[in-house]
Amino acid sequence: SQQGEEDPQALSIQEGENATMNCSYKTSINNLQWYRQNSGRGLVHLILIRSNEREKHSGRLRVTLDTSKKSSSLLITASRAADTASYFCATTRPKTSYDKVIFGPGTSLSVIP
Amino acid sequence: EAQVTQNPRYLITVTGKKLTVTCSQNMNHEYMSWYRQDPGLGLRQIYYSMNVEVTDKGDVPEGYKVSRKEKRNFPLILESPSPNQTSLYFCASSPGLGYEQYFGPGTRLTVT
Repeated sequence: SQQGEEDPQALSIQEGENATMNCSYKTSINNLQWYRQNSGRGLVHLILIRSNEREKHSGRLRVTLDTSKKSSSLLITASRAADTASYFCATTRPKTSYDKVIFGPGTSLSVIP
Repeated sequence: EAQVTQNPRYLITVTGKKLTVTCSQNMNHEYMSWYRQDPGLGLRQIYYSMNVEVTDKGDVPEGYKVSRKEKRNFPLILESPSPNQTSLYFCASSPGLGYEQYFGPGTRLTVT
């Protein structure tokens, strides 16, 4: 089953509004990362938050992590048309029998000019 | 320029014809990984490698092989491709597990 699940699956907003996407996961993690993908292209890393951090900022991005609820949120403030893309969360679990990164199915964001 | 390259970018092939998708990174990264992306399923990890000669299965390894003879290269081999392997494939590298991953541009594979 998926470790990360983004919510909503799709989001459409007007330019200038804020966009919030959520990610839930099932097991304990070492860290959680957010990536952006423009249509059909490779993913681009946005931000990494470690399990002992609660909030992190990078430019117009704000990520929060609540390990008690096993959830994270990505907030994009003052959105622009160029923010139109799919956004994925990815989790890395503590060392187990294998070491892998698990991606959620993504949130598709459309920012209307 | 730091980058991950994949070749070919587009490939149409027939069932059963062996193919290799190459992946190379110039950042001296230890961790490399292959993913496939299908609509509604996000990215699923096929194989990963923690270092030279160290590879392991991800979530969907069936029908794929990999090798890591050199640090920079991590080819994906489909010995006998089938139509259900039609997908968009991404190679990625990072300094180690849990670090930021750098993705290649993707290879769109169609198996008829």
